[in-house]
Amino acid sequence: QTVVTQEPSLTVSPGGTVTLTCASSTGAVTSGYYPNWFQQKPGQAPRALIYSTNNKHSWTPARFSGSLLGDKAALTLSGVQPEDEAEYYCLLYYGDAWVFGGGTKLTVL
Amino acid sequence: QVQLQESGPGLVKPSGTLSLTCAVSGGSISGRYWWSWIRQPPGKGLEWIGEVSHSGITNYNPSLKSRLTISLDKSKNQLSLTLSSVTAADTAMYYCARNSPNYCQGDYWGQGTLVTVSS
Repeated sequence: QTVVTQEPSLTVSPGGTVTLTCASSTGAVTSGYYPNWFQQKPGQAPRALIYSTNNKHSWTPARFSGSLLGDKAALTLSGVQPEDEAEYYCLLYYGDAWVFGGGTKLTVL
Repeated sequence: QVQLQESGPGLVKPSGTLSLTCAVSGGSISGRYWWSWIRQPPGKGLEWIGEVSHSGITNYNPSLKSRLTISLDKSKNQLSLTLSSVTAADTAMYYCARNSPNYCQGDYWGQGTLVTVSS
């Protein structure tokens, strides 16, 4: 069974920079896994941030960026705002199925 | 503006069948999109359930495949999910979402509907 692993939790100071990563149990994450990133706040549906590694939606704040970092997919927040405190999920493609990571709880403190 | 709205029974008995629909408004379900179901058990992470294309092609989570059917009803502009032989482990918030070309997943989501499996 394929497992996608994210940091369970991270803490960042307002105005700081933080990178969340997304690893696959099958090996290195490449662009062919088409990494997607989502933000979810309590009581809300997830909101899409990034698709196909580094493409932003029209509503994605400029401080969010996606990339490949080593053998993982990465989501970097630069100039973190208090409203960025949320759970973040990555989603990877495995040919005929998608798998979510376990999520990263980001605390802005 | 595309809107999605899930609906269905909030309570299902163990060993029964869970059936949900997702009504799509503000756009046609017949466009160049795929449509997904995702679920989230209380206090836990997201789980991809499966997806259906505008032409009816389906992809399912291997762990659910034997119990799962996802389909489109173009006449009603909605998609549906049927999950059989449910257990308490199927208790979750169920979301539908639209997927756009270029492997863009979940650009629009419904608000979700909570399904509890209990006798």
